[in-house]
Amino acid sequence: NAGVTQTPKFRILKIGQSMTLQCTQDMNHNYMYWYRQDPGMGLKLIYYSVGAGITDKGEVPNGYNVSRSTTEDFPLRLELAAPSQTSVYFCASSSEIGGRFRDTEAFFGQGTRLTVV
Amino acid sequence: AQKVTQAQTEISVVEKEDVTLDCVYETRDTTYYLFWYKQPPSGELVFLIRRNSFDEQNEISGRYSWNFQKSTSSFNFTITASQVVDSAVYFCALSEANTGFQKLVFGTGTRLLVSP
Repeated sequence: NAGVTQTPKFRILKIGQSMTLQCTQDMNHNYMYWYRQDPGMGLKLIYYSVGAGITDKGEVPNGYNVSRSTTEDFPLRLELAAPSQTSVYFCASSSEIGGRFRDTEAFFGQGTRLTVV
Repeated sequence: AQKVTQAQTEISVVEKEDVTLDCVYETRDTTYYLFWYKQPPSGELVFLIRRNSFDEQNEISGRYSWNFQKSTSSFNFTITASQVVDSAVYFCALSEANTGFQKLVFGTGTRLLVSP
């Protein structure tokens, strides 16, 4: 099983450029998330989705956009890259069992290291 | 508001020593989950354990053990007989019913360095 796959693994952007971080999962999970990890910090939630066509903001959504047209894919869009967006980005997915989250955990991708110069 | 505090920024031990990583959490919810994740030098996040707020039983898995105490809002992680491969950053995380169980709030992590 591939699990959660993120592309690219590394990227350098110039200020003002735009890009899309790709995320796909093959576990048929209904929940997907984007987190960012700044140096020496924990992960912070950017956006999340509870299913195809439904997205919502997390703790740090400014400067990002997402879409969820399919269960499998959850791309993250940076429209006007800024140095403050230099970070490692993690995509994750999870599911519920029997309508409960009791036995769920979040599965993470390998991360995308983004540098904005 | 929910919050996770990992006061230990970095811990250095020599192989075979026991080490405990502290985690203190804040939540107003009575139903929540606590997690530990490991982030090795390669960068990925590896799930270690999940604990729900109704189960205060301590858990042991090989050299790993977890001590959950609601009275002190702590969920500490102990590695017994540490090994070099345990070197990583360890994150404690919390999710709660009110904000959706699936949304994790992470601590800032504890970097563990195990030297031979």
